[in-house]
Amino acid sequence: KNEVEQSPQNLTAQEGEFITINCSYSVGISALHWLQQHPGGGIVSLFMLSSGKKKHGRLIATINIQEKHSSLHITASHPRDSAVYICAAPNSGNTPLVFGKGTRLSVIA
Amino acid sequence: EAQVTQNPRYLITVTGKKLTVTCSQNMNHEYMSWYRQDPGLGLRQIYYSMNVEVTDKGDVPEGYKVSRKEKRNFPLILESPSPNQTSLYFCASSLSGGFGQYFGPGTRLTVT
Repeated sequence: KNEVEQSPQNLTAQEGEFITINCSYSVGISALHWLQQHPGGGIVSLFMLSSGKKKHGRLIATINIQEKHSSLHITASHPRDSAVYICAAPNSGNTPLVFGKGTRLSVIA
Repeated sequence: EAQVTQNPRYLITVTGKKLTVTCSQNMNHEYMSWYRQDPGLGLRQIYYSMNVEVTDKGDVPEGYKVSRKEKRNFPLILESPSPNQTSLYFCASSLSGGFGQYFGPGTRLTVT
């Protein structure tokens, strides 16, 4: 079974800081998924990536397949970025997904 | 609007009383899945379905049943709920496989 580990578990940042959340997994995969869970509980898919880097606004996700590692970066962080960020990787093929325990981010104005 | 709906959103029930949480998607997605989320454990997959009449167990299927008779619906059935099934439940769907999933708003279930 794929083991998915995230770090840090909790992160507090000042507004404007550059933020990095890390995700590592134990079994080689075809792609990895980053999710965002809002304080109200809703979950939104941020990225699905299989190689290199993807960017959406101030969010950047990178993956190194050989090292079994992915990072999520947030540039110029803002209090509205406060959420739990979750990475997920498949056990085999594309499903089922195994989730990291999440990183709780608080951005303070 | 593309969406996944779940009902009910909140439910308090007693041990042993059968219940069903409905999930419906309007995107003609083939893949649907149920997850539970518990503090300290994160999201864990209960069951998933690759298409109509095709379902498979996830990591924590014990105590749950599902059915997929129509493409749009994927109900979660708790035949005899127990307190350890108190949790936040999410339904999700995607075109295929586990990626690019749209999540429902969640159902908070309390079993006393």
